[in-house]
Amino acid sequence: GAVVSQHPSWVICKSGTSVKIECRSLDFQATTMFWYRQFPKQSLMLMATSNEGSKATYEQGVEKDKFLINHASLTLSTLTVTSAHPEDSSFYICSARLLRDYPSYNEQFFGPGTRLTVL
Amino acid sequence: GESVGLHLPTLSVQEGDNSIINCAYSNSASDYFIWYKQESGKGPQFIIDIRSNMDKRQGQRVTVLLNKTVKHLSLQIAATQPGDSAVYFCAENNGGFQKLVFGTGTRLLVSP
Repeated sequence: GAVVSQHPSWVICKSGTSVKIECRSLDFQATTMFWYRQFPKQSLMLMATSNEGSKATYEQGVEKDKFLINHASLTLSTLTVTSAHPEDSSFYICSARLLRDYPSYNEQFFGPGTRLTVL
Repeated sequence: GESVGLHLPTLSVQEGDNSIINCAYSNSASDYFIWYKQESGKGPQFIIDIRSNMDKRQGQRVTVLLNKTVKHLSLQIAATQPGDSAVYFCAENNGGFQKLVFGTGTRLLVSP
């Protein structure tokens, strides 16, 4: 259980175009999903918290107009990188939080990641 | 705090050895800790977690130790296998913010 998928697994696009990445929780409902970015040989950096039915909460330094997040259902969140540039090339990973009975702990299950390359 | 690193520390062990991976966390208010394993080109995979009201938790071949006094977390892997080769991250959760903050990571290399 607690499987999270991402699509696509990799994408190559031209500079200036937009790219949409999907994150799905396959066997559970997730009111909260998270989007991370990981550069080579570095750790995961949280970009934003996506809440179903409300606006995403972005971390400091992350441009909300550039990284559009939509969490339209309890099993799907999307990240759209708008007007992509080469410096946006990275490994984007989503996670979905599995809520358990009280006390609730922040147990997150991660997707396989999406490799974005902007030419 | 946030984690940024230009290179990963590496632990090299022989197959069959026990491995110990260490992590220093930053926030004394963190109430939940998780160890993840990440293989190249893949997302992090949950290994084991521990709550702040515990100091030790065991899983299959893995043990996590938590020392809140010095804000230190360790992951012990028994009888390390080549398939254990990966990057291991600790993550801390500050209950108030419900966000995971990841450590810098340690690369584990297991030689046959």
